[in-house]
Amino acid sequence: GQQLNQSPQSMFIQEGEDVSMNCTSSSIFNTWLWYKQDPGEGPVLLIALYKAGELTSNGRLTAQFGITRKDSFLNISASIPSDVGIYFCAGSGRIYKLSFGAGTTVTVRA
Amino acid sequence: DTGVSQDPRHKITKRGQNVTFRCDPISEHNRLYWYRQTLGQGPEFLTYFQNEAQLEKSRLLSDRFSAERPKGSFSTLEIQRTEQGDSAMYLCATGPDGRALNEQFFGPGTRLTVL
Repeated sequence: GQQLNQSPQSMFIQEGEDVSMNCTSSSIFNTWLWYKQDPGEGPVLLIALYKAGELTSNGRLTAQFGITRKDSFLNISASIPSDVGIYFCAGSGRIYKLSFGAGTTVTVRA
Repeated sequence: DTGVSQDPRHKITKRGQNVTFRCDPISEHNRLYWYRQTLGQGPEFLTYFQNEAQLEKSRLLSDRFSAERPKGSFSTLEIQRTEQGDSAMYLCATGPDGRALNEQFFGPGTRLTVL
């Protein structure tokens, strides 16, 4: 089963809004990664975080590795329609295998 | 385009049949992983190869499942005597050695439907 808890489970965005999602774990991870998955496709790596406290940006995306090493958050600034999709956090531990959260589904608000 | 390719993209089979999926990794990546993803969930780890050696298998990988990476390049995942519960997306991911050890790049997946 999943070890990571992602929240919110789903969210609606309006173009131009900043959105935020987070991920918590009962286990310590050495690395946190954030992926985005479109329907029918594999996850695409957005950001990888390697050190506790690290804050990393990739364009309009910003992610942080929590200092306890048990949590991470992802912010999307000035959202655009192509930001819709499912965002997954993943923690990497032994042999670098990834444990994933259940995802945050981002949808455009009608 | 991540460079990881999987074939086929979709497979529909009848219960009890055997199926085989193929993954071609990014050429310089020594690490290769298989994951399974069901609707509404994140991917779940199945197995891991370092070059041609299969170093770990999840408890999810029953004895009906077998994976190989014969020359440390492409990999195959076979499911024998498929069951309806095997219906899922099967994802392959590969990763480099060096600093980016923890990064994994996924292929587009093979969607299996067992009727």
